[in-house]
Amino acid sequence: QKEVEQNSGPLSVPEGAIASLNCTYSDRGSQSFFWYRQYSGKSPELIMSIYSNGDKEDGRFTAQLNKASQYVSLLIRDSQPSDSATYLCAAGGSQGNLIFGKGTKLSVKP
Amino acid sequence: GAGVSQSPSNKVTEKGKDVELRCDPISGHTALYWYRQSLGQGLEFLIYFQGNSAPDKSGLPSDRFSAERTGGSVSTLTIQRTQQEDSAVYLCASSLQGYSNQPQHFGDGTRLSIL
Repeated sequence: QKEVEQNSGPLSVPEGAIASLNCTYSDRGSQSFFWYRQYSGKSPELIMSIYSNGDKEDGRFTAQLNKASQYVSLLIRDSQPSDSATYLCAAGGSQGNLIFGKGTKLSVKP
Repeated sequence: GAGVSQSPSNKVTEKGKDVELRCDPISGHTALYWYRQSLGQGLEFLIYFQGNSAPDKSGLPSDRFSAERTGGSVSTLTIQRTQQEDSAVYLCASSLQGYSNQPQHFGDGTRLSIL
């Protein structure tokens, strides 16, 4: 059973801090990884994709990938209350689908 | 269209009735996915279409669930003889091609409530 594991949280950080969200995956053949943000009552929204080992930065977001450790992370710098949401990690599956984690709930306190 | 369109946005029906949910993917996207999300839970994969064929139906929870896609575009998910446990948000996503390196883009979902 191919799985993506995330800590369900909630992860609580103060406004302006760095939020660190982590994810591990079981399928060593996965080559593509995605982070989605899901606000309560809304559908998932793609925020980052990463395919190579190392860091990928986009504004306040940095995705990190370590294929040897089968580990993906998302850092959110200067966290804002509007970043409060559930963050879903997804790994590319062998059938052309994505395997989603259950998500980590982030709460940014003003 | 500009994004994935799903209809209806909300559906309330009585137990035992059949329901049909519709998804119109982003124009030009060949791959289409159906998920289900119960309150406070993660995404549950249901079925994936590449064009009009479904290489992976493994997530359909029972034979009451079926889906089709015609013309490589619009897809319908049908639930027969609905049960209360079918209550959930049904999400559709599409991607440019059916490769796992392609991001999926989600519609707003259909919130299904079975009385």
